[in-house]
Amino acid sequence: EVQLVESGGGLVQPGGSLRLSCAASGFAVSSNYMSWVRQAPGRGLEWVSIIYRGGSTYYPDSARDRFIISRDNSKNTVFLEMNSLRAEDTAVYYCVGGSGSYFDYWGQGTLVTVSS
Amino acid sequence: DIQMTQSPSSLSASVGDRVTITCRASQGINNYLAWFQQRPGKAPKSLIYLASNLQSGVPSKFSGSGSGTDFTLTISSLQPEDFATYYCQQYASFPLTFGGGTKVEIK
Repeated sequence: EVQLVESGGGLVQPGGSLRLSCAASGFAVSSNYMSWVRQAPGRGLEWVSIIYRGGSTYYPDSARDRFIISRDNSKNTVFLEMNSLRAEDTAVYYCVGGSGSYFDYWGQGTLVTVSS
Repeated sequence: DIQMTQSPSSLSASVGDRVTITCRASQGINNYLAWFQQRPGKAPKSLIYLASNLQSGVPSKFSGSGSGTDFTLTISSLQPEDFATYYCQQYASFPLTFGGGTKVEIK
């Protein structure tokens, strides 16, 4: 059974940084697509980042130059480093894995709140 | 960026009803389209990929169709557990984008 478990969310001040983790089981992060998708309170889904099997990374404009996705194959874990956080980054962040499609498996999410 | 437009944004239906949700892409995406279900307070769940392929374990009452710019998700006989919000998503090009969602409520 595939499990993706996020951690690292919490309250952070505007301009601050946070690092999210996603521990995978039953699913190899090194040989699949791994992404982060977020959902602001009461809003829809927004893709935040993806790392390919070969290590290439892609971001939307809203995350480029502030967010970095990475992985540790030995720990089967994916990370999202978020810098220069803004109020509009407040959301539940989901770790998502895929093999054929990008978004086959979803974690339960971790809440990030950016507020002073 | 490819814009994904879902309609309707919400609908009311009864148990046993057949429901169809549409999703339109602002440009052609071949069949690189997925559908997700999100129940209140829960994470999204993948239902369909490549427009019409059912994910493992998803009941056959769900079906998807379409290609190019116009797509549909059909639920053949609505059950209580199907009341949720449904999202389409394109993965033909970056940035990956989602539709705004369709909330299916009980009539």
